[in-house]
Amino acid sequence: QVQLVQSGAEMKKPGASMKVSCKASGYTFTDYYIHWVRQAPGQGLKWMGWINPKSGGTDYPQRFHGRVTMTRDTSISTAYMELSRLTSDDTAVYFCARGGLRFGELLQFDRWGQGTLVAVSS
Amino acid sequence: SYILTQSPSVSVAPGKTAGITCGGNNIGTKSVHWYQQKPGQAPLLVVYDDSDRPSGIPERFSGSKSGNSATLTISRVEAGDEADYYCQVWDESSDQVVFGGGTKLTVL
Repeated sequence: QVQLVQSGAEMKKPGASMKVSCKASGYTFTDYYIHWVRQAPGQGLKWMGWINPKSGGTDYPQRFHGRVTMTRDTSISTAYMELSRLTSDDTAVYFCARGGLRFGELLQFDRWGQGTLVAVSS
Repeated sequence: SYILTQSPSVSVAPGKTAGITCGGNNIGTKSVHWYQQKPGQAPLLVVYDDSDRPSGIPERFSGSKSGNSATLTISRVEAGDEADYYCQVWDESSDQVVFGGGTKLTVL
C-alpha cells in the first residue's frame, strides 16, 4: 500500500535549520509530486511548495523563498524539506503529501505522511 | 493572492445533514478538494475534483459547487465525523496551492 513515512520530532534553537525526510513506498516515487504543508499549533494548513521527484524541479510560494529547500534521493525514494533561519513562528507540524499533475494543473493530495513536529525555542 | 473562506464552525445532531461551505472568487473555474483532519492525525482526502470520492470514503460524503461557493455535504452524520474540514484549490494565476482556513464540525 502507498505510504509516506516521515522522520521524527525535532527541537531547534532560533536561527538554526531543520531538515525533515519523507520516505515513499508502495508506488513509483517519480510518478507523483511531493508537497510540503505545515500546521502551526491550533492553526490551519499552509502549503510550502513542491518537488518533482523525476526532475528535481521545485516551486515555493514567495513567503518561503530563500528559506526553504526541497530535495530528493530517488535511490531511496525519499524527499527532504530543509527550512533555515528558524524562528518561533516556524514551530509547527510539517506534513509531506503526494500529489499528481494533470495537463499542468496540480491535483489533490491523496496520501499524506504522518507529520513531523518541529519545535523552535531558545 | 487567492483566498478561500470557510466558516470557523458548524454543529449538527447525529443523523442529520451537515453542510460546510468554501467561498472563493471564480471558484467555479477551479477544482475543489476537501480534507478531513481529526486531532493528532494527518489530513485525509474525502472529496476531490469538486464531487468525486476516493475509494474507501463513504457515500455520505459529497461535494458540489454553485456560484462562488463549494460545499461539502455530510449526510447521516455520525460521531466519528467530528473533525476539522479544509477545502483546497490550485490557483492557476499564481501557480499556488491554497487551503481554506478550516471548519470545525461538532456533532452534538
